[in-house]
Amino acid sequence: EDQVTQSPEALRLQEGESSSLNCSYTVSGLRGLFWYRQDPGKGPEFLFTLYSAGEEKEKERLKATLTKKESFLHITAPKPEDSATYLCAVTGGGNKLTFGTGTQLKVEL
Amino acid sequence: SQTIHQWPATLVQPVGSPLSLECTVEGTSNPNLYWYRQAAGRGLQLLFYSVGIGQISSEVPQNLSASRPQDRQFILSSKKLLLSDSGFYLCAWSVRGDQPQHFGDGTRLSIL
Repeated sequence: EDQVTQSPEALRLQEGESSSLNCSYTVSGLRGLFWYRQDPGKGPEFLFTLYSAGEEKEKERLKATLTKKESFLHITAPKPEDSATYLCAVTGGGNKLTFGTGTQLKVEL
Repeated sequence: SQTIHQWPATLVQPVGSPLSLECTVEGTSNPNLYWYRQAAGRGLQLLFYSVGIGQISSEVPQNLSASRPQDRQFILSSKKLLLSDSGFYLCAWSVRGDQPQHFGDGTRLSIL
């Protein structure tokens, strides 16, 4: 059974204070790892897909990296508008994704 | 471009009443469709998914059912709601199973 564990559960940063979120996964034959951003009361918004170890993707202040056991979402010089819950999900094929419970990020002025 | 519509945004229902939540996708054909429930502080629980019209896979035994009467329409139903059915319900679509899923804005369901 696929499993995803995200840490920390919650993270509070000052504006400009860079940090990383972790997503550890167990899956039989990774076919894709996905990062999402979810704002309160909204559906998750797709950010990145990573397919193989060593792959990296960037978007504005966010950069996602992947190893054989985990993925990191690096946030560089965050702003208050980056505050959200960040979700990680994996698929080993088939028609389903397995989601972690997310990291709730709060960026303060 | 593709869009997904989910309604209503908020719903308050009495225990024992029926339920029908609807989701439609525009701008794509034969998508995979998904229903999730998200409890506060918890991850997304997959309830049902469909790879085609009339094809429904159930992930969790429960008081709910799903139907796909048209290619881009996915409906979540219940004949009699329980208090435990309260939660945030999300519909999603993808091109195929190993591709990113794209979510609607969800329905907040409260059972009284």
